Amino acid sequence: DAGVIQSPRHEVTEMGQEVTLRCKPISGHDYLFWYRQTMMRGLELLIYFNNNVPIDDSGMPEDRFSAKMPNASFSTLKIQPSEPRDSAVYFCASSPIAGGPNEQYFGPGTRLTVT
Amino acid sequence: RKEVEQDPGPFNVPEGATVAFNCTYSNSASQSFFWYRQDCRKEPKLLMSVYSSGNEDGRFTAQLNRASQYISLLIRDSKLSDSATYLCVVSGYSTLTFGKGTMLLVSP
Repeated sequence: DAGVIQSPRHEVTEMGQEVTLRCKPISGHDYLFWYRQTMMRGLELLIYFNNNVPIDDSGMPEDRFSAKMPNASFSTLKIQPSEPRDSAVYFCASSPIAGGPNEQYFGPGTRLTVT
Repeated sequence: RKEVEQDPGPFNVPEGATVAFNCTYSNSASQSFFWYRQDCRKEPKLLMSVYSSGNEDGRFTAQLNRASQYISLLIRDSKLSDSATYLCVVSGYSTLTFGKGTMLLVSP
């Protein structure tokens, strides 16, 4: 299995621009999670999906952030408009049915820099 | 009080040393506990689960004290390849809460 796939791996953009991060979970995994990691705040859960349905988005910082999962094999996290404080590493993770949401497999992350 | 607290380190140890990390958590209703490992500029990966009875995986031993709400990880005979950040992770019903991690640096 290829594992969780994320793209792009690096993104540099200017403040005010729209940013779209993409994730392909491991096939057969029913849970998908979006995290953000910074030195100051560590790894924070932004939103998670179960069977393509958003379950908890309480970690989404503000309305500038949105996430979708149109099918079982694809999810996007969009920031519009982006701000310098959004600079972070964004991880997508997925989890299988049998293990529940607990054992999570992370993608390599997208390193976002907003100037 | 933060949900999951860890000493950020770094812990600098020589090869062959034994090192221990502790972690405390605030939610007494937490159900599951884990240690994840994160190498520099890489994604976190599950190292081991932590059970109430304690568990061992090779050189790694994890223990849980529910009464005091802390989790520990012991690494024996440290290797250079153990250098990484170790994340303490606590689970509720459906989500994981990560500590900020403890950095370990093993030197020759």
